[in-house]
Amino acid sequence: EIVLTQSPATLSLSPGERATLSCRASQSVRNYLGWYQQKPGQAPRLLIYDISKRATGIPARFSGSGSATDFTLTISSLEPEDFAVYYCQQFTNWPLFGQGTKLEI
Amino acid sequence: EVQLVESGGGLVQPGGSLRLSCAASGFTFSTFWMYWVRQTPGKGLEYVASIKEDGSEKYYVDSVKGRFTISRDNAKNSLYLQMSSLRDEDTAVYYCVRDFSSGWYLEYWGQGTLVTVSS
Repeated sequence: EIVLTQSPATLSLSPGERATLSCRASQSVRNYLGWYQQKPGQAPRLLIYDISKRATGIPARFSGSGSATDFTLTISSLEPEDFAVYYCQQFTNWPLFGQGTKLEI
Repeated sequence: EVQLVESGGGLVQPGGSLRLSCAASGFTFSTFWMYWVRQTPGKGLEYVASIKEDGSEKYYVDSVKGRFTISRDNAKNSLYLQMSSLRDEDTAVYYCVRDFSSGWYLEYWGQGTLVTVSS
């Protein structure tokens, strides 16, 4: 079974800074890699799908990249509302999530 | 506007049963795979079960096989999760989730319903 490992567990940055979050898969996930944002008390929200495509309504400061087993979510210039937990997700037989990266101020 | 509204969560004793419901609106329910995903502080987000558009295929995570049953009623735009033989480790927030338009991802989520298994 594929395992997704996210790093770092916690990332402390300030508004305006650039955030780089990593997701590593134990084996190739082809192009089916997505990213979600979850704020306290809310459900996750799909940000990125197919490694680099932004979901509807997602600002351009969010971008995804990578291939095979190594993937990155980049937030170019952090806004106050971006501080949240981020999960990567792949799909082989079913959705599988990483353990999350908490982006804190 | 897509809406998914879960209900049916609550406190139940170990070994007990509970039925979750999800009322869907704002999209053609019968044309999407649907999922139940749960979240615990310790284990994060975990896929629980999924069901094909017409209900002909159902899949489960190993830990709930034989105990949980996913079903749907397309005439009522509703998704269900019948949970039995509940264990402490089933305690979680359960989300009803709609598939992405092209599959592979989870696009719309309900607000979640809390299931607590405790004596």
